[in-house]
Amino acid sequence: GDSVTQMEGPVTLSEEAFLTINCTYTATGYPSLFWYVQYPGEGLQLLLKATKADDKGSNKGFEATYRKETTSFHLEKGSVQVSDSAVYFCALRDLYSGGGADGLTFGKGTHLIIQP
Amino acid sequence: NAGVTQTPKFQVLKTGQSMTLQCAQDMNHNSMYWYRQDPGMGLRLIYYSASEGTTDKGEVPNGYNVSRLNKREFSLRLESAAPSQTSVYFCASSDPLGGGSPEAFFGQGTRLTVV
Repeated sequence: GDSVTQMEGPVTLSEEAFLTINCTYTATGYPSLFWYVQYPGEGLQLLLKATKADDKGSNKGFEATYRKETTSFHLEKGSVQVSDSAVYFCALRDLYSGGGADGLTFGKGTHLIIQP
Repeated sequence: NAGVTQTPKFQVLKTGQSMTLQCAQDMNHNSMYWYRQDPGMGLRLIYYSASEGTTDKGEVPNGYNVSRLNKREFSLRLESAAPSQTSVYFCASSDPLGGGSPEAFFGQGTRLTVV
């Protein structure tokens, strides 16, 4: 079945540092890939997405590129802020895999802590 | 535009009690989902509904039932709550096969504690 593996935290960085959160996936079809962010006490918000190989998703200074050859979708940001502190989830959705449950498959989440 | 609305936001149950979590979306989506979130486990799919009148099991359906009441509403019922069902529950909706984008939209969550 489909699966998502992402680095587990917590990841602690200083403000203005460069961020990379690794994400790799296994899927039988041609999935769409997502990064969601969850702030304390809130639901999940879509941060960015990519629907086909070599697409780059971007939002709020975050970027991730869909790499089919390495089955990866790593999240990056050039200069993090304290307000970026949250839990980040990598996820995939394989609409045309030919079977199995619908819905997104999530990684376990990475807790990011940015210190001033 | 409220998106996905869940009620209640918090609930404490005693073991063996029953309750229903409510979810409604106003985006005219065909598909709706219930997930649970546990520390270190990410989100796991409990049940989903691809359209009004249909429901299917996800990864962790045991101990739960669902009802797709109409296109807007999808409820999750715990018939006899157990401490293992202590979790944060999220409802979500999407409509990729109806021409929409493939991402799901999430409610704010219900934090359930079973004692």
